Amino acid sequence: KQEVTQIPAALSVPEGENLVLNCSFTDSAIYNLQWFRQDPGKGLTSLLLIQSSQREQTSGRLNASLDKSSGRSTLYIAASQPGDSATYLCAAPVDSGTYKYIFGTGTRLKVLA
Amino acid sequence: DTGVSQDPRHKITKRGQNVTFRCDPISEHNRLYWYRQTLGQGPEFLTYFQNEAQLEKSRLLSDRFSAERPKGSFSTLEIQRTEQGDSAMYLCASSLEAGPSYEQYFGPGTRLTVT
Repeated sequence: KQEVTQIPAALSVPEGENLVLNCSFTDSAIYNLQWFRQDPGKGLTSLLLIQSSQREQTSGRLNASLDKSSGRSTLYIAASQPGDSATYLCAAPVDSGTYKYIFGTGTRLKVLA
Repeated sequence: DTGVSQDPRHKITKRGQNVTFRCDPISEHNRLYWYRQTLGQGPEFLTYFQNEAQLEKSRLLSDRFSAERPKGSFSTLEIQRTEQGDSAMYLCASSLEAGPSYEQYFGPGTRLTVT
């Protein structure tokens, strides 16, 4: 059974710092891994999708890596800004039929001005 | 492409009442998912449609819950005889197809509060 864990649960950093958010999964036979951002009381915004055949994806100041052998993905945020403050969730699909997602519990990030 | 929309955004209801939520996926997306998210947790899968066919339901979806997707377009999620434990954010997502390269796009969610 796939389990997804995110560490740390919460993180507070000063503006301008580079930071890394971690996502671990127990079943390495994942099809892809998707990172999302969620603002308080809002829905999920997709940030990056890494297919199982890829090692990393980049979008602007964001870089996500995937290491299936170790069961880990990291989201790197460069030069953090107060606008980056949000909860970041990772999710991996299980079942090649439904592709339903198993989510981690998220990392709540606060970037201080 | 206007994204996934959900209606209403907020719903407050008294215990025992029935509620219905609507989700409009991105047009031409044949996959539609419902998830539920409680405070401080990640979303949990509830059910999934491929076109108009409901192909899987989580055991979280008790018999008080029913979902439909007539004609393979919008979907509705109904909760009968609501309980306080139903209070959560209900999220809808859609994807064009199922596969490693296909993202799920999420709507803004419907926040349900049962008093």
